[in-house]
Amino acid sequence: QVQLQESGPGLVKPSETLSLTCSVSGGSVSSSFHYWGWIRQAPGKGLQWIGSVYYTGSSYYTPSLKSRVTLSIDTSKNQFSLKLRSVTAADATVYYCARHFYHDRSGPIHAFDIWGQGTMVTVSS
Amino acid sequence: QSALTQPASVSGSPGQLITISCTGTSSDVGNYKLVSWYQQHPGKAPKLIISEVNKRPSGISTRFSGSKSGNRASLTISGLQAEDEADYYCCSYAGSNTVVFGGGTKVTVL
Repeated sequence: QVQLQESGPGLVKPSETLSLTCSVSGGSVSSSFHYWGWIRQAPGKGLQWIGSVYYTGSSYYTPSLKSRVTLSIDTSKNQFSLKLRSVTAADATVYYCARHFYHDRSGPIHAFDIWGQGTMVTVSS
Repeated sequence: QSALTQPASVSGSPGQLITISCTGTSSDVGNYKLVSWYQQHPGKAPKLIISEVNKRPSGISTRFSGSKSGNRASLTISGLQAEDEADYYCCSYAGSNTVVFGGGTKVTVL
């Protein structure tokens, strides 16, 4: 079955760039039915969708983070990535990658059906 | 794009039926039949339990059901069990290939 695994530094300095990668196994990021998304969750808080990327490279972002986020996808490595620039303490959260079920033959779905285990990122000098 | 509104907590006794509301706007919940619900146990990743307002993925108990009316979606858990104690999040499509989550609801089984 499809599995997702986040990887990347667990510690980032303030004002620097947070970079995370999600490796996909058991399935292909080149699926026409799926986007690949990032969601974050501050300790004890709710979920926040960061953005999603399609195999073509098209990407979509939540408005509040759009100016600082870039999502990319590497179909040859079967993985996708997140870069968040100019981080602050507010960006210290758990980051999840997830498969964003975009649509099936019946139409749009827009649900996150498979999730990685999540990775905690700390922002500190 | 504001977060969808959910009650902070809902509780019930084993065997009871509880309902969690998720209120959005005419730009998200009210405009699309694309509301999903997620269950999250402590320290675990969220798990999809409802998509497209009322569709259960394979393996999800029939005790979970979803509905929508206007700008408000609801998740109903019938026959409440101890294992249902978790956080629940709604999520709605909000147009232009964007989605928005709710703030989450903690379900306590008394």
